[in-house]
Amino acid sequence: DVKVTQSSRYLVKRTGEKVFLECVQDMDHENMFWYRQDPGLGLRLIYFSYDVKMKEKGDIPEGYSVSREKKERFSLILESASTNQTSMYLCASRTRTPTYEQYFGPGTRLTVT
Amino acid sequence: GIQVEQSPPDLILQEGANSTLRCNFSDSVNNLQWFHQNPWGQLINLFYIPSGTKQNGRLSATTVATERYSLLYISSSQTTDSGVYFCAVDLPYTGTASKLTFGTGTRLQVTL
Repeated sequence: DVKVTQSSRYLVKRTGEKVFLECVQDMDHENMFWYRQDPGLGLRLIYFSYDVKMKEKGDIPEGYSVSREKKERFSLILESASTNQTSMYLCASRTRTPTYEQYFGPGTRLTVT
Repeated sequence: GIQVEQSPPDLILQEGANSTLRCNFSDSVNNLQWFHQNPWGQLINLFYIPSGTKQNGRLSATTVATERYSLLYISSSQTTDSGVYFCAVDLPYTGTASKLTFGTGTRLQVTL
């Protein structure tokens, strides 16, 4: 079974802190994604990576950065957390072949106070 | 960009009832997935179904790609089926990575 894990289920941080959210997948998938989910706004793509050290902005990259130093690990970084970044963060991975099936991690509920 | 619409937006069922959820999309797609988001927030894969019909237990799905819709059938619903159901599609691969576009979801509540 494909497994995508995220470092924390719940996280509380203070405004201005630097926050790291870690995601690890065990299926050698090329593509990895970070989304945030907010009530009424659905899932929005923040960043994605299609290979080690390769990344592209999604729909809402402002205030975030990412790092992918190893194929299995994709990190989301909030350089200076703000209250409007309180959200559910979901990591996902997918392979390119033979199908494009995408798998999600359990999510991290981040609260910024 | 591609539009993905799901209906109904909300659905309340009594345990044991059957239901059909619909996903319409505005363009030709390469792939289509159905997910169930449980009350704890995790998105669980139900079906990868770019075309045709698949069944898994009480759930089945059909995608008619030429008519740009997919249906998810839930039979003999149980309280554990509660949550939000999303369909997601992506366009033919043209760049660095194909990205899913999600529908707005159908919120299902199954009551005793």
